[in-house]
Amino acid sequence: EPEVTQTPSHQVTQMGQEVILRCVPISNHLYFYWYRQILGQKVEFLVSFYNNEISEKSEIFDDQFSVERPDGSNFTLKIRSTKLEDSAMYFCASSEPTSGTSDTQYFGPGTRLTVL
Amino acid sequence: QKEVEQNSGPLSVPEGAIASLNCTYSDRGSQSFFWYRQYSGKSPELIMFIYSNGDKEDGRFTAQLNKASQYVSLLIRDSQPSDSATYLCAVNGYTGNQFYFGTGTSLTVIP
Repeated sequence: EPEVTQTPSHQVTQMGQEVILRCVPISNHLYFYWYRQILGQKVEFLVSFYNNEISEKSEIFDDQFSVERPDGSNFTLKIRSTKLEDSAMYFCASSEPTSGTSDTQYFGPGTRLTVL
Repeated sequence: QKEVEQNSGPLSVPEGAIASLNCTYSDRGSQSFFWYRQYSGKSPELIMFIYSNGDKEDGRFTAQLNKASQYVSLLIRDSQPSDSATYLCAVNGYTGNQFYFGTGTSLTVIP
């Protein structure tokens, strides 16, 4: 069964450093997403991506964040200068849209980011 | 501010009983509603989705949607210890490009 994959599973970085989280969405999916979940809190939407551009983004997704689809399979989230409060689990998701709107989203296993 | 509210629990039921999980949402434009299960330290795993008012059954799971009341629920029949997890309600906004999640309800099924 196709699944979303994410690497690395755990990333430890120093405050102020740049990190890139990687995702490989399900191959025939066209919509891609990043969410984050701070420990003990709810899953929060960061950004959605379709047709090589951002479709929607939340207030969390400020200038420190960027997304890219560098090739036909990978989807990345970059955090330029990490802060302590960026420590969280980051989930990538993808969906196969129907009728012009996104459909069921399938989540990857997540990357746990720890900022020291 | 679009809100999705769930009782945080914890909810405890004996094995074999029915577990009932509830969710309300604030955005009347929402069109799609999802239930995910999340084990500790793991990613959300889709259980089922519902788009239309009424009930939708899938095995031991039944989702119920009432758009007029902005309410969606999940019933788990014949609960098993392996059902012990946090259940997340997710609502798709009108644009369809993001999910709004509730904080989740923690369910424990006691053998």
